[in-house]
Amino acid sequence: KQEVTQIPAALSVPEGENLVLNCSFTDSAIYNLQWFRQDPGKGLTSLLLIQSSQREQTSGRLNASLDKSSGRSTLYIAASQPGDSATYLCAVPGSNYKLTFGKGTLLTVNP
Amino acid sequence: NAGVTQTPKFQVLKTGQSMTLQCAQDMNHEYMSWYRQDPGMGLRLIHYSVGAGITDQGEVPNGYNVSRSTTEDFPLRLLSAAPSQTSVYFCASSYSFAASQPQHFGDGTRLSIL
Repeated sequence: KQEVTQIPAALSVPEGENLVLNCSFTDSAIYNLQWFRQDPGKGLTSLLLIQSSQREQTSGRLNASLDKSSGRSTLYIAASQPGDSATYLCAVPGSNYKLTFGKGTLLTVNP
Repeated sequence: NAGVTQTPKFQVLKTGQSMTLQCAQDMNHEYMSWYRQDPGMGLRLIHYSVGAGITDQGEVPNGYNVSRSTTEDFPLRLLSAAPSQTSVYFCASSYSFAASQPQHFGDGTRLSIL
């Protein structure tokens, strides 16, 4: 059974810092991994999808990496801003048409 | 560019009542699904559909029904609401479940059962 873990559960940083969010998964037989952002009371917004054949995917100040062999992905946020404050979730698809999500990292960027 | 639209955004029901949560997407996506999000439990799959006329159960299907008569719509029905169904419900869609297709989520329906 696939399990996804995100560390840390919460992170508070001053504005301008570069930061890394971690995601680990137990079954490395995945074909992609997706990072989402969730604002309070809102839905999930897709940030990046990284294919199993890729090592990295970039969008603006965001960079996601994937190491299937070690079962890990990281989301790097450069030059953080208060508007980046949200919960960040990673998810991997399984063979039973289910996305398995981590519990998320609550990020607070302080002005 | 509407994406995935869920209605209503909020709903309060009494125990035993029934209701339908609506989900519509305008991206011609084949795959659609329903998740519930609960504190400490994360997101759990309720039901999913890989195309019109095809539905299947996820990990927490009890108390819920779905149908998929069109590609665009995937309603979720609560048959007899129970307090344990108090949750935030999200509908998601993608062109296909596999490979390079990201999942798109709606803004959710916040449901309280009294």
